[in-house]
Amino acid sequence: AQSVAQPEDQVNVAEGNPLTVKCTYSVSGNPYLFWYVQYPNRGLQFLLKYITGDNLVKGSYGFEAEFNKSQTSFHLKKPSALVSDSALYFCAFNYGNNRLAFGKGNQVVVIP
Amino acid sequence: DGGITQSPKYLFRKEGQNVTLSCEQNLNHDAMYWYRQDPGQGLRLIYYSQIVNDFQKGDIAEGYSVSREKKESFPLTVTSAQKNPTAFYLCASINSRSMNTEAFFGQGTRLTVV
Repeated sequence: AQSVAQPEDQVNVAEGNPLTVKCTYSVSGNPYLFWYVQYPNRGLQFLLKYITGDNLVKGSYGFEAEFNKSQTSFHLKKPSALVSDSALYFCAFNYGNNRLAFGKGNQVVVIP
Repeated sequence: DGGITQSPKYLFRKEGQNVTLSCEQNLNHDAMYWYRQDPGQGLRLIYYSQIVNDFQKGDIAEGYSVSREKKESFPLTVTSAQKNPTAFYLCASINSRSMNTEAFFGQGTRLTVV
């Protein structure tokens, strides 16, 4: 079955340090991958997507992600984390008719 | 402002009751979706609709029903057949005329069985 995996439950990072949230995928064909962020008791907000083309994708709020076909990964990165980046992050893929399948999510805690 | 509005924000249901969650969008999107979120499980698709008067089951449709009588509205009914309805419910819409475009989400409804 096709899926995305987010291997870590929680990522702790000091403010100002680089932030990485990991995602690996098992998707047939060309994967259409997304990152979303969720703040407490709120809906999801779109950060970025990979459809085709450049493997480095830039998104909202200073986030970027690198699509790596050989490692089947799509890790989310930010060079310098802010306390306000503390949230739940979801990796997802489109499995047809714009339906999204999500990973279980990663809680990011940025420590002041 | 364009967006998706879900109501109510919090909903309490007694055992055996049906309840309906509202989702309205003014983005002129054709496609709408309902997801269920449980802690540590990500989001799972309940139902989706790509056009008015048509909808399809998602991965966990049992115990739920939907209607799509208007483009702007996609209400979800949680029936008494849903054995574990306590969850956070999210509605989303997509401009399906664009390929692989991002979904816009509402703020969610938290349903609790009492």
